[in-house]
Parts: sequence; structure tokens; C-alpha cells
Amino acid sequence: GDSVTQTEGPVTVSESESLIINCTYSATSIAYPNLFWYVRYPGEGLQLLLKVITAGQKGSSRGFEATYNKETTSFHLQKASVQESDSAVYYCALGDNNYAQGLTFGLGTRVSVFP
Amino acid sequence: EAAVTQSPRNKVAVTGGKVTLSCNQTNNHNNMYWYRQDTGHGLRLIHYSYGAGSTEKGDIPDGYKASRPSQENFSLILELATPSQTSVYFCASGGQKDTQYFGPGTRLLVL
Repeated sequence: GDSVTQTEGPVTVSESESLIINCTYSATSIAYPNLFWYVRYPGEGLQLLLKVITAGQKGSSRGFEATYNKETTSFHLQKASVQESDSAVYYCALGDNNYAQGLTFGLGTRVSVFP
Repeated sequence: EAAVTQSPRNKVAVTGGKVTLSCNQTNNHNNMYWYRQDTGHGLRLIHYSYGAGSTEKGDIPDGYKASRPSQENFSLILELATPSQTSVYFCASGGQKDTQYFGPGTRLLVL
């Protein structure tokens, strides 16, 4: 079946440092997977951070970037300079073109940013 | 703005009891989903629906039923709750080729 593997947390970084959360996927049942990063901030619900539906493209939001690499089956999330407000749990996920059959999620990576 | 609400937000149930988790969306999305999240696992899909009257099995449907009586509402039913069903449950809605919007989650404890 389909699966997503991401950096095991927790991850602790200092403010203004860079952050990378690795994500690799296996899409055995989906010919053209769409890739997502979701985030859950403390006390809030799960929300979409960014998505990329075409291999080779890059998505960005709130200073985060992720590039869909079909060759390495990866979708790593990066930010050059984190802030304390980036403390959250980040989830990598994949879905089919229509998203109709739900998403496959990674385990989530808890990130804590300290001033 | 997209809105998905869940009720109850917290629930304590006894083993063998019936539990119904409710989800309502005001996005007019056709697709709705129920996931559970446990330590050591990402969100896992239990049931989903393509529209009113439709329910489909997800990756882990055993022990759960679903009901979609209308476009807006999607329920998850545990006929005979077991302690292994203690978890956090998330509902989501999504249109075709559209982002999934998630509810705030329901914490269920089965004693």
C-alpha cells in the first residue's frame, strides 16, 4: 500500500536557525500522487500548510518550502529561519488526483522552537 | 471560510456501549472522511463518503460504521466500543481536487 515516512521527532531548534523535515513516500496505488504538508499548532486543528500536485514543482507558504521530487520520492519541508510561532506538529501526506479516497499521512514531526 | 465541526469534543464510554461521533460541514463538499490518530501512527482513514447516502470503507474500518444522511453530516458509529478504540478522531471534508479541511477532533476514551 501507500506510505509516508518523515523525520522522527521531536525536533528542537533555536529561533532564526534553519529547519528541515524529511519526507519520503511510496505510492504503489496512485499513478500521480499529490503531496501535502499539514500543520497543527498548539490548541488548533489540522490545517493545510502547502501542497504540490506536479512532480518537479515547489510549493511555499509562511516561509516554508517543499519540492516534489519524483526521482527520490521525497517532499522535504524547509525553512531558512524559524520563529517561535513555528512550534507545531507537521504532517506529510499524499493523495490521489481526486483526493476522493482520503490521504495517507506520515506520523507527524513535533517541532519546538526556542528563543 | 471552510468549517468542519465535530461533537462531542470529548467522550468517555464503557466497553460494549454504543458511541456516535458527529461531524458537520458547511463547505458544501461532496467528500467527507473519518480518521483516527494514535501515538506511533499518522492519521489513518476509517470511512469516507462521496455524498449523501454513500459510505465507503477506508484502511481500518473494522469495528466502525458510518452514516451520511445529508451533504452536511457524517457520523461515525461504534456499535460495541472497545478499549482499543480509545483515540482521537478527526473528521474532514473535501471537494473533488480540493484540499481536505479538518475538524478540531474528538477525544474518545473507552473504559
